Amino acid sequence: DAGVTQSPTHLIKTRGQHVTLRCSPISGHKSVSWYQQVLGQGPQFIFQYYEKEERGRGNFPDRFSARQFPNYSSELNVNALLLGDSALYLCASSLLGDSYEQYFGPGTRLTVT
Amino acid sequence: GQQVMQIPQYQHVQEGEDFTTYCNSSTTLSNIQWYKQRPGGHPVFLIQLVKSGEVKKQKRLTFQFGEAKKNSSLHITATQTTDVGTYFCAGGVGNNRKLIWGLGTSLAVNP
Repeated sequence: DAGVTQSPTHLIKTRGQHVTLRCSPISGHKSVSWYQQVLGQGPQFIFQYYEKEERGRGNFPDRFSARQFPNYSSELNVNALLLGDSALYLCASSLLGDSYEQYFGPGTRLTVT
Repeated sequence: GQQVMQIPQYQHVQEGEDFTTYCNSSTTLSNIQWYKQRPGGHPVFLIQLVKSGEVKKQKRLTFQFGEAKKNSSLHITATQTTDVGTYFCAGGVGNNRKLIWGLGTSLAVNP
């Protein structure tokens, strides 16, 4: 079975632009969480979705939004990009909505110039 | 706010020595999870502890969850070069919808 997949792998954007990151969870997993990881730090929780509904939100501005589709894949959108948004964006899937063991994708490396 | 502190931040050991990382929360946790992230990789789930005072072992790794469910530890016996990476703890708070992550402990093992 395929693991969690994310696209694109790398992305370079300029300030003010918007970006859409995509994630496909492990087959059968209904929950997707998004994290931002800045180099040298731990993952920072952004959103959790379960059964297409937002179940949790971290301390990120409204420029960050996400959604989950009927097939449980998910998109993370970031508007009005800032230099500080440069990071590795990780998607993690889990079987249920609670904080069960999470399986991470390889991440999308976003660079904002 | 809710925080999970993890110490030490870095640890260098000689191969064969033991290693321990500690995780402390400002609030009671519903569960604690441990992940390992190799350089350039993504976090990989190691284990989840739920019960007060729980101890679990995976080969050379021993995980503990404190009686008050506010602290946890990961102990590696006789480290190997394959143990290199950053070890993160992540605590579940409230109704489990949010994981609070520690900053991680980076382990370097000298052969």
